Amino acid sequence: GAGVSQSPRYKVAKRGQDVALRCDPISGHVSLFWYQQALGQGPEFLTYFQNEAQLDKSGLPSDRFFAERPEGSVSTLKIQRTQQEDSAVYLCASSFSPYNEQFFGPGTRLTVL
Amino acid sequence: GIQVEQSPPDLILQEGANSTLRCNFSDSVNNLQWFHQNPWGQLINLFYIPSGTKQNGRLSATTVATERYSLLYISSSQTTDSGVYFCAVVLGTASKLTFGTGTRLQVTL
Repeated sequence: GAGVSQSPRYKVAKRGQDVALRCDPISGHVSLFWYQQALGQGPEFLTYFQNEAQLDKSGLPSDRFFAERPEGSVSTLKIQRTQQEDSAVYLCASSFSPYNEQFFGPGTRLTVL
Repeated sequence: GIQVEQSPPDLILQEGANSTLRCNFSDSVNNLQWFHQNPWGQLINLFYIPSGTKQNGRLSATTVATERYSLLYISSSQTTDSGVYFCAVVLGTASKLTFGTGTRLQVTL
């Protein structure tokens, strides 16, 4: 398909486990964003890439969260030593530039037990 | 302070009714988008509208950037319009989208 894809769609982790969430942006989109959506809330910004450069990581809640986009296309969000408060839907979005329309993937629902 | 406010927070309509959703924002915008989040959580793009007016079927939107607000109009509502509507903006010199708190719409028969 031509949209943003994310995997896995659902992830259950035991507290303390590490998880890795993948995002495949729309082909040709140089901007890639990660957002976190808690239950009943709007999405909140985590981090932003322009090609392979991580230009803004101000939204990452702790140093347990790490994101990369080594070749400027696929991105991975990694959460180390997961905690219950990390339970949320993690959304990836891509666009031609920050000021262009952003398109969202279906999200990964993470549940930490 | 609050950067993106949406109203009303909740709205219940009978099928066929019209509605207006409002989004107020606190700074100049380089990007404004309206989304519909369906019951499965997918964010569906409705409009990319940093200024001006657009229409798409039963939906239309207007953004008055100088007065820092945007409106989403839904006409002849259908049950499939139910869900949460988000306004999201790129404010000032930022790159990220800042989302409003959403309007939860329920359309009944």
